[in-house]
Amino acid sequence: DAGVTQSPTHLIKTRGQHVTLRCSPISGHKSVSWYQQVLGQGPQFIFQYYEKEERGRGNFPDRFSARQFPNYSSELNVNALLLGDSALYLCASSPTPTDTEAFFGQGTRLTVV
Amino acid sequence: DQQVKQNSPSLSVQEGRISILNCDYTNSMFDYFLWYKKYPAEGPTFLISISSIKDKNEDGRFTVFLNKSAKHLSLHIVPSQPGDSAVYFCAASVGFGNEKLTFGTGTRLTIIP
Repeated sequence: DAGVTQSPTHLIKTRGQHVTLRCSPISGHKSVSWYQQVLGQGPQFIFQYYEKEERGRGNFPDRFSARQFPNYSSELNVNALLLGDSALYLCASSPTPTDTEAFFGQGTRLTVV
Repeated sequence: DQQVKQNSPSLSVQEGRISILNCDYTNSMFDYFLWYKKYPAEGPTFLISISSIKDKNEDGRFTVFLNKSAKHLSLHIVPSQPGDSAVYFCAASVGFGNEKLTFGTGTRLTIIP
């Protein structure tokens, strides 16, 4: 069975640009969460979606947005990129938000120059 | 404001001995705690969890202890094996499950053969 897949794996963008990161959850999983992991830190919660509805949002500016599609895949969009947005972006899926375990993808490494 | 803290950035343990990883939290609203393990170039993988109504949970070589009054939890790995070398993250959530996880900064565990 395929795990959580994220694309692209690596990305280099210029300050001020826009980026879209994609996540395909495990088949049957309806909950998708996004996390940002800056070097040397733990993952920080950005968004959670369940059944295509936003269920939670972390302390991130409005430049960050996300959505979930009818097939439960998800996109994370970041506008007006800053150098500080350089990080590993992780997507996690689970059947529901109250399931014990969330399964993480390998992440997208975003570098802003 | 770091609500989940792992004060030891790194830990080295002899193979076969016990590894003890510690985690402290400040938010008394947390009532579910998880440990994740991360290898380089991979997403975090779930190890074990504990609800605030318990003080201990075991799963094979892994045991998590929770001391609510001290706002402290620990992960014990015994016996430690070379494959346990990884970064370990403590995480917490308000409510049961994997909603809006707050992660610590991680502890890099190295098992010495």
